[in-house]
Amino acid sequence: AQTVTQSQPEMSVQEAETVTLSCTYDTSESDYYLFWYKQPPSRQMILVIRQEAYKQQNATENRFSVNFQKAAKSFSLKISDSQLGDAAMYFCAYRTQGGSEKLVFGKGMKLTVNP
Amino acid sequence: NAGVTQTPKFQVLKTGQSMTLQCAQDMNHEYMSWYRQDPGMGLRLIHYSVGAGITDQGEVPNGYNVSRSTTEDFPLRLLSAAPSQTSVYFCASSQLAGAWETQYFGPGTRLLVL
Repeated sequence: AQTVTQSQPEMSVQEAETVTLSCTYDTSESDYYLFWYKQPPSRQMILVIRQEAYKQQNATENRFSVNFQKAAKSFSLKISDSQLGDAAMYFCAYRTQGGSEKLVFGKGMKLTVNP
Repeated sequence: NAGVTQTPKFQVLKTGQSMTLQCAQDMNHEYMSWYRQDPGMGLRLIHYSVGAGITDQGEVPNGYNVSRSTTEDFPLRLLSAAPSQTSVYFCASSQLAGAWETQYFGPGTRLLVL
């Protein structure tokens, strides 16, 4: 079974600085997708960024980018120029084709942004 | 578009009571699913549906029933609530049942079973 591990339960960053959130996963599949979701205090789950496993190029969405290391099964999220609105729980998730197409989530990490 | 809507936002039940959590989407999405979120854990899949009339079990289906009579609606039923079902429930949908497809989540329903 696939598992997703977020080893840091909490992190903090100063406004305007850069922070990296770590995520590792375990799978025997070769074709899959990885996601970072943000959950602010409103509880709404918001997709931040996604990465196809077959692509070597790291995905980027504005201030958010990933460092995808397929051999190491690592998928970290870098937030540049951190803003107060970035404060939230962040979940790393894995999804494979076929069957339920379920998202397998990590336990999440709470990010605090200090002004 | 309202996106994915869930009702109620919050509910308190007594052990043994039944209730239905409502989920609706107005994006004509084929794939819909239910997750539960417990403290210190990520979301876990309860049931999912790849289209009207088709449902299947996810990772933690015990104690829950679903049906999909229309594309828009995917209700989750608790037949006899137990304290272990205290959780936050999220409904999600995507256009197709594909791993790449973006899943859109509802705002969640917080359920407390006493």
